[in-house]
Amino acid sequence: KQEVTQIPAALSVPEGENLVLNCSFTDSAIYNLQWFRQDPGKGLTSLLLIQSSQREQTSGRLNASLDKSSGRSTLYIAASQPGDSATYLCAVPYSGAGSYQLTFGKGTKLSVIP
Amino acid sequence: IAGITQAPTSQILAAGRRMTLRCTQDMRHNAMYWYRQDLGLGLRLIHYSNTAGTTGKGEVPDGYSVSRANTDDFPLTLASAVPSQTSVYFCASSDIEGSGGSNEQYFGPGTRLTVT
Repeated sequence: KQEVTQIPAALSVPEGENLVLNCSFTDSAIYNLQWFRQDPGKGLTSLLLIQSSQREQTSGRLNASLDKSSGRSTLYIAASQPGDSATYLCAVPYSGAGSYQLTFGKGTKLSVIP
Repeated sequence: IAGITQAPTSQILAAGRRMTLRCTQDMRHNAMYWYRQDLGLGLRLIHYSNTAGTTGKGEVPDGYSVSRANTDDFPLTLASAVPSQTSVYFCASSDIEGSGGSNEQYFGPGTRLTVT
C-alpha cells in the first residue's frame, strides 16, 4: 500500500524567504505526482503535476522536483509572500497498474509572516 | 468555466437519515472520485469511477454508495448516516491516461456534513 509522508507538518517563515517542502512515498512505481494547495475552508487547487518521465516542473515562483528512485519530491517556493500561506499537499497514485486514485500526504501548513 | 460543482455546501443531518451529496463536472473527464477529509487523518478515498457505468471502492467505502449513470454526475449516498460520517467531502475528476489525459485531478469546493 502506498504511503505518503510530508515533513514538516507546519512551517513558519518570514516574507521573502525561499523555502522547500518535502514529500516522500513508499512505492516508487508511480507515473506522476501532484502538488496541491488548500486554503482554510476551501477545496484543493492543483499547483503542479510531474509525470514520471520528468525530473521537475515549474510554475511561476514554484518548482517541483521528483526523484522516483529515492521516493521523494520537493516543492520549492521562491521569494515567499503572505498570500502563499496555506496547506500544501502532495499526492501519488495508488500502487498497481491502472490505478488512478490518489494517496495524499497529510500536508504542510505554511505561514508566511509579513 | 464552472469545473466541478458540489451541493449542498453544508448540511446538518440527523443520524439514521439518508443523504445524497451531488457532484457535477463540465470538463468531460472520464474519471471521478469522492474523498473525505478529517483532521489528523487527511484525505481518504471513498469511491471512484474510471468511466461512466463503472465504480470502485476506495480506502473507506463502508456506509457509502455511488453511481455513475453519465459522464458528468457522480452522486454519493449515505444510506443511514452515522456521527462518524461527519466530515468534509470532496469530489474530484480527472482525464485518465489511455484516453490521452494526464490524470491531473481537479477538486470541487467540498460539502461540510455534520451528522448529529
